Amino acid sequence: DSGVTQTPKHLITATGQRVTLRCSPRSGDLSVYWYQQSLDQGLQFLIQYYNGEERAKGNILERFSAQQFPDLHSELNLSSLELGDSALYFCASSREGFSYNEQFFGPGTRLTVL
Amino acid sequence: KNEVEQSPQNLTAQEGEFITINCSYSVGISALHWLQQHPGGGIVSLFMLSSGKKKHGRLIATINIQEKHSSLHITASHPRDSAVYICAPLLNTGNQFYFGTGTSLTVIP
Repeated sequence: DSGVTQTPKHLITATGQRVTLRCSPRSGDLSVYWYQQSLDQGLQFLIQYYNGEERAKGNILERFSAQQFPDLHSELNLSSLELGDSALYFCASSREGFSYNEQFFGPGTRLTVL
Repeated sequence: KNEVEQSPQNLTAQEGEFITINCSYSVGISALHWLQQHPGGGIVSLFMLSSGKKKHGRLIATINIQEKHSSLHITASHPRDSAVYICAPLLNTGNQFYFGTGTSLTVIP
């Protein structure tokens, strides 16, 4: 158990819908990273937050957004969902804001868009 | 062209064998992450290294930043090592990772 929690574990929804994925980092970790893993694209870095502020942005679509709240949990919002958004979404946390810090991964949320 | 190449893509080994997984990249990086993804999907960070060599138990990771190459070695492999191993170079232009496509390892008892 990494100490990082993600909810929900599974999510099935329809095209055009909007969903919110939630991540709680390990106690004391200030940084949260979001990743997407799909069958055709593999793992991709989406976005990083550090202590409530966006630190780095990767291949995140404009239909997706994220935020980190004062209690350091983070939410990833996916809107106008398409079939191709079906994937595993992981969050990870680290103590500081630098990506060369060790990261601890959550169990992931499996999103299926029908 | 992929920025990150891993080899081999698939590997089957007998229990006890010494295993090497290679990662080559074409971009400038400041560090590299080795990840292990279990059959159930969970991801574990194995190493983050920026130079030289790190060892943890039966796992050893090496990197040569100038030659743009890293290797992950597993000594005395065990069936519980069966997983996908992913290298993820960290770009030196910021907090962004590229990911390799992974090496699927199966260790047979």
